[in-house]
Amino acid sequence: NAGVTQTPKFQVLKTGQSMTLQCAQDMNHNSMYWYRQDPGMGLRLIYYSASEGTTDKGEVPNGYNVSRLNKREFSLRLESAAPSQTSVYFCASSDRGLYYEQYFGPGTRLTVT
Amino acid sequence: QKEVEQNSGPLSVPEGAIASLNCTYSDRGSQSFFWYRQYSGKSPELIMSIYSNGDKEDGRFTAQLNKASQYVSLLIRDSQPSDSATYLCAVNHIMRGGADGLTFGKGTHLIIQP
Repeated sequence: NAGVTQTPKFQVLKTGQSMTLQCAQDMNHNSMYWYRQDPGMGLRLIYYSASEGTTDKGEVPNGYNVSRLNKREFSLRLESAAPSQTSVYFCASSDRGLYYEQYFGPGTRLTVT
Repeated sequence: QKEVEQNSGPLSVPEGAIASLNCTYSDRGSQSFFWYRQYSGKSPELIMSIYSNGDKEDGRFTAQLNKASQYVSLLIRDSQPSDSATYLCAVNHIMRGGADGLTFGKGTHLIIQP
């Protein structure tokens, strides 16, 4: 039982390049989330998926797209990377129920030069 | 605008003492409250959840909730150097589509001095 996994762990991109961050969970959770964490800004929600087949914008969606591939997998795509997207990206998942507990993956550290 | 406020610290506590971390929130409709621990370079790890007024104890950790005052706290008894980390307070809200969102504070940096 790996929980939430993310790939890659580290990535360096040049401005304008594209990439996809992958996330998978094996806890049979319905909801999945993408956050970015920057010094002094805390965790900010980029996109989320309440259930398989649905996605919605969070607080900072500009420059990103997402795909909920199936119940397990939720990917985040940067179409044209910018230096402002240098950050640590976390995927999380939760079940729909009384307690709303979210569990986080190990993160991807992305640098855009 | 839903807000969660924490003192950024650093909060320095001697080993063996009680560390007290505090958090206030703005959304009176929130029902679930969480404390996450984040070591430098690692992801947030859920350590405590609390849903009703009062205290909830788990080992050396006690979470306290006062909904009337919109206040959540975390007490760490017998603090150890391994407790040195950033502690994030998180509060739930319901988003479009029924997903359960969390609003996070920016965290309190705790240092346990040996």
